[in-house]
Amino acid sequence: KQEVTQIPAALSVPEGENLVLNCSFTDSAIYNLQWFRQDPGKGLTSLLLIQSSQREQTSGRLNASLDKSSGRSTLYIAASQPGDSATYLCAVRLTGGGNKLTFGTGTQLKVEL
Amino acid sequence: DAGVIQSPRHEVTEMGQEVTLRCKPISGHDYLFWYRQTMMRGLELLIYFNNNVPIDDSGMPEDRFSAKMPNASFSTLKIQPSEPRDSAVYFCASSGEWVGELFFGEGSRLTVL
Repeated sequence: KQEVTQIPAALSVPEGENLVLNCSFTDSAIYNLQWFRQDPGKGLTSLLLIQSSQREQTSGRLNASLDKSSGRSTLYIAASQPGDSATYLCAVRLTGGGNKLTFGTGTQLKVEL
Repeated sequence: DAGVIQSPRHEVTEMGQEVTLRCKPISGHDYLFWYRQTMMRGLELLIYFNNNVPIDDSGMPEDRFSAKMPNASFSTLKIQPSEPRDSAVYFCASSGEWVGELFFGEGSRLTVL
């Protein structure tokens, strides 16, 4: 059974800092991996989708990398801002697992002034 | 596009009552998903549809839960009878392609007393 782990569970950083969020998965046979952010009381907002054949994807200040062989993905946030405060979730789709996303437990990020 | 639209946003009901949650996916998306989010279990896939046909309902917890998609622009998730342990946030999501990027609605927060 695919397990997705995100460490740390919570992170607090000062504004302007560059930071890395980690996602680990146990089964490397994946179609793709998707990063989301969730604001309190809100739905999930898609940030980046990275295919199994890709090494990284970039959108603005965000960069997601994927190392399938080691079962890891990282989300890099440059020059963090208070508006980046949210919970960040990664989710993977297993090859042969149908169209299902398995979610990690999330990292709660707080960017302080 | 308005995104995935869910209603109601909040529902408070008493144990034993029937609950119906509604979802309108993004126009043109062929895949529709129902997820449930709780503090204890995180995000769990309940069921997903492709072209209005249920593909995988293995995540539906009990016979008390049922989901329908009568047409491409509407889906319901029904709980009858509801129980306190059903209290959670229920999310609907849609995708335009097989293992494609997933877009979530704002969720329906259900409280069963």
